[in-house]
Amino acid sequence: GAVVSQHPSRVICKSGTSVKIECRSLDFQATTMFWYRQFPKQSLMLMATSNEGSKATYEQGVEKDKFLINHASLTLSTLTVTSAHPEDSSFYICSASQDLYNEQFFGPGTRLTVL
Amino acid sequence: GDSVTQMEGPVTLSEEAFLTINCTYTATGYPSLFWYVQYPGEGLQLLLKATKADDKGSNKGFEATYRKETTSFHLEKGSVQVSDSAVYFCALLYQGGKLIFGQGTELSVKP
Repeated sequence: GAVVSQHPSRVICKSGTSVKIECRSLDFQATTMFWYRQFPKQSLMLMATSNEGSKATYEQGVEKDKFLINHASLTLSTLTVTSAHPEDSSFYICSASQDLYNEQFFGPGTRLTVL
Repeated sequence: GDSVTQMEGPVTLSEEAFLTINCTYTATGYPSLFWYVQYPGEGLQLLLKATKADDKGSNKGFEATYRKETTSFHLEKGSVQVSDSAVYFCALLYQGGKLIFGQGTELSVKP
């Protein structure tokens, strides 16, 4: 299957700093990428959908100014958690697909810990 | 709105036992249904899927049948192995290509 990578796999930062997480599709072009958040022993909650070259669509209740998403190329999307606080600590997972209704391929996730 | 409900875990089985993880859904129309597996510390992998009623998805000994009458997509395996220990997520494909996940069921298989 197609491979999606995330970087970093784990990050610890101080409260108030910003953190950028990268999601890359390694062997296919992803017109659509999705960002999810997963709390311990809970399900994945969709945060936003991003299409290459256009603004991301955020789910209800997700602060777009807090979670900045950029999908500048067909192989890279980034999620920046701005002014992170301890409540932003979570496991962030991205997925990528060739188009909106094709299979989503998931990255390995990024564990964010905000002190 | 559309939703997915899974049986709560954790589920603990002995090796070679029969596995069933229940999944029911609520949806308008007939969405595609999926089972994903998440191994510790990793992202999700697609295990199997079914795109229409009465379809049976299967992979690595796992099976699930899309039952429109009971709005269910239960996951089964005849003989589990220790290596099957993971968290299993049932999901449906919502409008706009979005996936809605169940809460996940943790499976632990003991030797």
